[in-house]
Amino acid sequence: DTAVSQTPKYLVTQMGNDKSIKCEQNLGHDTMYWYKQDSKKFLKIMFSYNNKELIINETVPNRFSPKSPDKAHLNLHINSLELGDSAVYFCASSPFYQPGVPNEQFFGPGTRLTVL
Amino acid sequence: TQLLEQSPQFLSIQEGENLTVYCNSSSVFSSLQWYRQEPGEGPVLLVTVVTGGEVKKLKRLTFQFGDARKDSSLHITAAQPGDTGLYLCADFSGGYNKLIFGAGTRLAVHP
Repeated sequence: DTAVSQTPKYLVTQMGNDKSIKCEQNLGHDTMYWYKQDSKKFLKIMFSYNNKELIINETVPNRFSPKSPDKAHLNLHINSLELGDSAVYFCASSPFYQPGVPNEQFFGPGTRLTVL
Repeated sequence: TQLLEQSPQFLSIQEGENLTVYCNSSSVFSSLQWYRQEPGEGPVLLVTVVTGGEVKKLKRLTFQFGDARKDSSLHITAAQPGDTGLYLCADFSGGYNKLIFGAGTRLAVHP
């Protein structure tokens, strides 16, 4: 059984389009995240939600809008796609959110977005 | 802004060799995590270290956390092709439990 799943795996689109990436976790975790990994493999946090509430927004352009319909899902919608948005986007989840207490993040397989 | 530097960037070795990769921070780690990412997959947690001077072992992998909590190393003994991947260190940082990643060390172990 897949713990953290993302769809689609690959997404190729034109500049200016709007697209969504979906993420689901079946681990019963409270906290979910979106990360962006660029072509140099640098992985950077974008957003974090705990029990459907936004707790981290890392100065991401407002063309990116996360939505958490329930604790098990965190989707990412991107408006007016730009060339620089090309990257691999990873969803992750962790069991709980307690400030300062480290816990494991479980990552999905990634969505490779290519903007032409 | 905290910066994590990992070295070397790339490492290509033969099966059976030993290796060490390093992670250095511009500021004290809150707690340090090491992840491994295989091609086409998401990162997977290997270990969390919290206390300065801590040493943890995971089979052939040995993780050391510097006394000053600003550096860490990962040593692999008798590397195997299955160890191939991108090794990422990350600081579990701040009040919002944010992971700040280094750029990684890409390891290739050849049979």
